[in-house]
Amino acid sequence: GEDVEQSLFLSVREGDSSVINCTYTDSSSTYLYWYKQEPGAGLQLLTYIFSNMDMKQDQRLTVLLNKKDKHLSLRIADTQTGDSAIYFCAEGYNKLIFGAGTRLAVHP
Amino acid sequence: DAGVTQSPTHLIKTRGQQVTLRCSPKSGHDTVSWYQQALGQGPQFIFQYYEEEERQRGNFPDRFSGHQFPNYSSELNVNALLLGDSALYLCASSLVTNSYEQYFGPGTRLTVT
Repeated sequence: GEDVEQSLFLSVREGDSSVINCTYTDSSSTYLYWYKQEPGAGLQLLTYIFSNMDMKQDQRLTVLLNKKDKHLSLRIADTQTGDSAIYFCAEGYNKLIFGAGTRLAVHP
Repeated sequence: DAGVTQSPTHLIKTRGQQVTLRCSPKSGHDTVSWYQQALGQGPQFIFQYYEEEERQRGNFPDRFSGHQFPNYSSELNVNALLLGDSALYLCASSLVTNSYEQYFGPGTRLTVT
């Protein structure tokens, strides 16, 4: 079956790197996504990667994919207070399957 | 360039009533998907519309129905509301050729009392 799992909470100091992890179960070729949700808002598409890729970098964001272990991670370099939000991992194409979200708290 | 818009922002309904939520896709997009996000959870896929037809459906009962109009905007209808239908309803739009790039609206917060 389809399932996406994430750790629920991460706390980091401002200026450090954050790494948010996710595991997925879909064994077929698929897209994997990271979305950001701030309080009271919708979801913002941060980045995505196709399942035949290993890595994707976009400014402060780096996505790493371990296909063997079905493990996806999002690294945010130089984390700022504005990065505080809930981060969702998702997989799929037309129908996206989301994890429960990781709440990132950035403290001074 | 207008993003995805949804109306209303908030809605309070009573059990057993019916509700209609509206979504306008991002300019240039032709496909609309609806998701339900319960408090503290990730969004769950309800269905997707393209060319005014339901293209794919998630595990939701027939009380949930939708419509897409020729201008690509969409409605989500929920009949016989239950307390468990209280959630944030999110609309996402995309191009049928790039359905992996889904852009979300701000959502409609539905409270059923």
